[in-house]
Amino acid sequence: KAGVTQTPRYLIKTRGQQVTLSCSPISGHRSVSWYQQTPGQGLQFLFEYFSETQRNKGNFPGRFSGRQFSNSRSEMNVSTLELGDSALYLCASSLADPKGEGYTFGSGTRLTVV
Amino acid sequence: GQQVMQIPQYQHVQEGEDFTTYCNSSTTLSNIQWYKQRPGGHPVFLIQLVKSGEVKKQKRLTFQFGEAKKNSSLHITATQTTDVGTYFCAGLGTDSWGKFQFGAGTQVVVTP
Repeated sequence: KAGVTQTPRYLIKTRGQQVTLSCSPISGHRSVSWYQQTPGQGLQFLFEYFSETQRNKGNFPGRFSGRQFSNSRSEMNVSTLELGDSALYLCASSLADPKGEGYTFGSGTRLTVV
Repeated sequence: GQQVMQIPQYQHVQEGEDFTTYCNSSTTLSNIQWYKQRPGGHPVFLIQLVKSGEVKKQKRLTFQFGEAKKNSSLHITATQTTDVGTYFCAGLGTDSWGKFQFGAGTQVVVTP
């Protein structure tokens, strides 16, 4: 089966701009989670969407937002970009309950803010 | 809130040696999962532990869930260069639903 697809793979944005990242989960997976990964910081949880509703939220400012569509595809938006937002953004999909098969991660979008 | 900590943060291992990395939670967990991220790659699900004291093996990798379900370990025997990467644990609290808390990971470097 096809994996989790994230687009674009790389992005370079200027401070103050906004960006939208996309994630297409594995077919049949209705849960999509977003993580920010920076060197030495591990995986910082942003939010999780299930059936078009935000089910869980991490401790990120309101500049970070997301949504999920009826086909389970998800987008993440970051407004007013800051240099510190430079990171690898990973999307992970799972069944409604990730206790079954765990999360399947996409290859990520590497965002560089200059 | 629930916190998941991994030690050590970095592990340098000589090829052929064994090593263990640990995952500790501030609260009791219902499940714990382990992931491996190769350099330049993305995390890949390895295994899930559910029962108190559970031990699971995958070839040279041995995963254990503590009796109190507040800690877990990953032991690798006869380390190979293919074991290079960062190993993450992710714990699900007993009062959480659907949200696993990831540790910061153990970055493993193997010296030939």
